[in-house]
Amino acid sequence: QKEVEQDPGPLSVPEGAIVSLNCTYSNSAFQYFMWYRQYSRKGPELLMYTYSSGNKEDGRFTAQVDKSSKYISLFIRDSQPSDSATYLCAMRPLQGAQKLVFGQGTRLTINP
Amino acid sequence: DAGVIQSPRHEVTEMGQEVTLRCKPISGHNSLFWYRQTMMRGLELLIYFNNNVPIDDSGMPEDRFSAKMPNASFSTLKIQPSEPRDSAVYFCASSLGQLEKLFFGSGTQLSVL
Repeated sequence: QKEVEQDPGPLSVPEGAIVSLNCTYSNSAFQYFMWYRQYSRKGPELLMYTYSSGNKEDGRFTAQVDKSSKYISLFIRDSQPSDSATYLCAMRPLQGAQKLVFGQGTRLTINP
Repeated sequence: DAGVIQSPRHEVTEMGQEVTLRCKPISGHNSLFWYRQTMMRGLELLIYFNNNVPIDDSGMPEDRFSAKMPNASFSTLKIQPSEPRDSAVYFCASSLGQLEKLFFGSGTQLSVL
């Protein structure tokens, strides 16, 4: 079983829809949670970063962490065609192995 | 800021040949990471350096893979001899001490025939 599970999709939604992207994980030591966005033929870029549990909002993007369920989410409001990309979750523990564990990535398409 | 610069962007080679991938991190960043991305396995960390010193190379798949960082502004990932299963996109990333905030290059698409 992988440490981080993420549905690869693809996910296709109409412009303006609310998008929900999710990851589950098995390692309870994970404390830092990130979402990276990767456009075609580009490297991933950091989109959102949260520590421990709770919500974080940045414009149209909201990241949620539920440590009791080992479940993290990224919500995109008023989705735009420019949001079409692959979204990767990533996480790491507070101590121990100092490296990120990435999910497989979910490929998202926003249709005009 | 030019960002993380990788070369070449594309590399096509034949099985058994030596392949060298290059990376210039963002100036001032003290950590450098080499990742490999495939459809099957996703994004995997191969090795990372802190202040030019290799810290964790547990992700390097075999002795055929080696990485160096002779100075703060340059790193190489070498595969010798290359095999078709090494075909993937190889990314270099750098950060300023924060593992959460990685800055990735555009990657090298490697095809081993």
